[in-house]
Amino acid sequence: KQEVTQIPAALSVPEGENLVLNCSFTDSAIYNLQWFRQDPGKGLTSLLLIQSSQREQTSGRLNASLDKSSGRSTLYIAASQPGDSATYLCAGLNTGFQKLVFGTGTRLLVSP
Amino acid sequence: DGGITQSPKYLFRKEGQNVTLSCEQNLNHDAMYWYRQDPGQGLRLIYYSQIVNDFQKGDIAEGYSVSREKKESFPLTVTSAQKNPTAFYLCASSMNIATYEQYFGPGTRLTVT
Repeated sequence: KQEVTQIPAALSVPEGENLVLNCSFTDSAIYNLQWFRQDPGKGLTSLLLIQSSQREQTSGRLNASLDKSSGRSTLYIAASQPGDSATYLCAGLNTGFQKLVFGTGTRLLVSP
Repeated sequence: DGGITQSPKYLFRKEGQNVTLSCEQNLNHDAMYWYRQDPGQGLRLIYYSQIVNDFQKGDIAEGYSVSREKKESFPLTVTSAQKNPTAFYLCASSMNIATYEQYFGPGTRLTVT
């Protein structure tokens, strides 16, 4: 059974720092991987999707990579801003299935 | 605007009552999903539907029921058999078969007392 771990569970940084969020899977047979952002009491917003043939995706200050051999993904946030404060969730789709498996998230606080 | 709507945003019910949560999408997506989110836990899949008039149980389907009579709608009923119904419920949809990218609604917070 696929399990997803996100490290750290919480992170507090001053504005302007570059930071890395980690996501690891127990089963490396990942078809694709999505990173989401969730604000308190809100739904999930899709940030980046890494498809099966890709190793990374970039959108603005965000860059996500996927290493299938190790079952790990990282989300890099450059020049963090207070508006980046939220919970970040990763989710993987296993090969042969149509269900996402979610991590428990990293709660990020960026202080001005 | 295209998107996924869930209503109501907050819902309060007495123990023993069934309650139905609404999920509508105008994205022309084939697949729809229901998740439950509890503090400190990842999202858990309740039910999903790949096509109209067909749906499958997810990881925690006990105490829940769904229907998929229209492509745009996927209502979730929380029955009195669900032992711990208080949670945040999220609906999602996806269209792209090649990528399975999922898009989420704003969620419904259900409180049962």
